Amino acid sequence: TQLLEQSPQFLSIQEGENLTVYCNSSSVFSSLQWYRQEPGEGPVLLVTVVTGGEVKKLKRLTFQFGDARKDSSLHITAAQPGDTGLYLCAGARLDSNYQLIWGAGTKLIIKP
Amino acid sequence: SQTIHQWPATLVQPVGSPLSLECTVEGTSNPNLYWYRQAAGRGLQLLFYSVGIGQISSEVPQNLSASRPQDRQFILSSKKLLLSDSGFYLCAWSPLGYGYTFGSGTRLTVV
Repeated sequence: TQLLEQSPQFLSIQEGENLTVYCNSSSVFSSLQWYRQEPGEGPVLLVTVVTGGEVKKLKRLTFQFGDARKDSSLHITAAQPGDTGLYLCAGARLDSNYQLIWGAGTKLIIKP
Repeated sequence: SQTIHQWPATLVQPVGSPLSLECTVEGTSNPNLYWYRQAAGRGLQLLFYSVGIGQISSEVPQNLSASRPQDRQFILSSKKLLLSDSGFYLCAWSPLGYGYTFGSGTRLTVV
């Protein structure tokens, strides 16, 4: 069974601080996606990383795909209250284009 | 542009009653469609996916079923709801191999 372990599960920090969320697996993925979800709504895709070692930046958010395509990280610089939400990572299986392996999520709270 | 509609937003149903949740997609043809369930504040569990009309794959044996009567319509059903069916249900579509677009979800409470 493929697993995608996401850490930390919960993070509460002050506005202006930096943070990193990790997704790790023993399996190789063809791509990895990051989503952000607010309460009562569906997840919204932030980024898809495809190439090993790839780094993508979205304003204050930096996403990295591990060289071996088994892990990924999300780094937020100078966090703001608007960054609060549930962050989910999801890996696309090599043997299936239709299914994603989901992390359990990181609940992030940024206090003003 | 592509949009996805899911309804209702909230639903309270008694144990043993039937269920029908509907999802429709606009602006694309032959999408891959998915039904997920999410426990409170946690990750997503894939329930069903469909790559075409009448084609349904089930990931988790349970009290639910899915149907795809039209290209852009995906329905989640149950004949008799259980308490354990409570949760947040999400419909999603994706182009092959790319990120998912999710509906706004249905909060189902079985009482």
